[in-house]
Amino acid sequence: GAVVSQHPSWVICKSGTSVKIECRSLDFQATTMFWYRQFPKQSLMLMATSNEGSKATYEQGVEKDKFLINHASLTLSTLTVTSAHPEDSSFYICSILAGGEETQYFGPGTRLLVL
Amino acid sequence: KNEVEQSPQNLTAQEGEFITINCSYSVGISALHWLQQHPGGGIVSLFMLSSGKKKHGRLIATINIQEKHSSLHITASHPRDSAVYICAVRVGYGQNFVFGPGTRLSVLP
Repeated sequence: GAVVSQHPSWVICKSGTSVKIECRSLDFQATTMFWYRQFPKQSLMLMATSNEGSKATYEQGVEKDKFLINHASLTLSTLTVTSAHPEDSSFYICSILAGGEETQYFGPGTRLLVL
Repeated sequence: KNEVEQSPQNLTAQEGEFITINCSYSVGISALHWLQQHPGGGIVSLFMLSSGKKKHGRLIATINIQEKHSSLHITASHPRDSAVYICAVRVGYGQNFVFGPGTRLSVLP
């Protein structure tokens, strides 16, 4: 069964609205979760590392005020795309490291379309 | 130069063929992952390698740390193997991953 879930799987929103994406670790306690973005026919790009109980670490070029990350518990991290614009339309994926940090489990992804 | 490169970029094979996908990297790593992404977007971790070779069913992954190169082999390929295969390296001993551009595999019946 799934180790990591994401909700919603699809979201369509108007430009200017905010969208929250949830990532849940179902089988493991995850002190660290990763958020990725993938544009069509491109590879995954790490956006940020979400740390339980502390601030997320953002990759260069990723605006922390635009992509708000909250990791309030060992099983849940949320990514909020604030004031979404059409260029934010993408596939957002989260992952965790488990099994002694040897295995990476990915969520099923969330497709965001901003009109 | 990208830190992680893959070849080929696209690959079409006939069912039953032996397939090899290559990954080369330029940074120091502590581990390398081979991932499979299906058309719907879902990603599955196939292997995590830090040395040597691993085998799972029809899939074999090898890594040569000195040459900074890894290969993923698929024996007796099947149309259900059609997917994008992504090489991802864990840089140093941190938690950062760098992803290759992926290899799009199509296996024809």
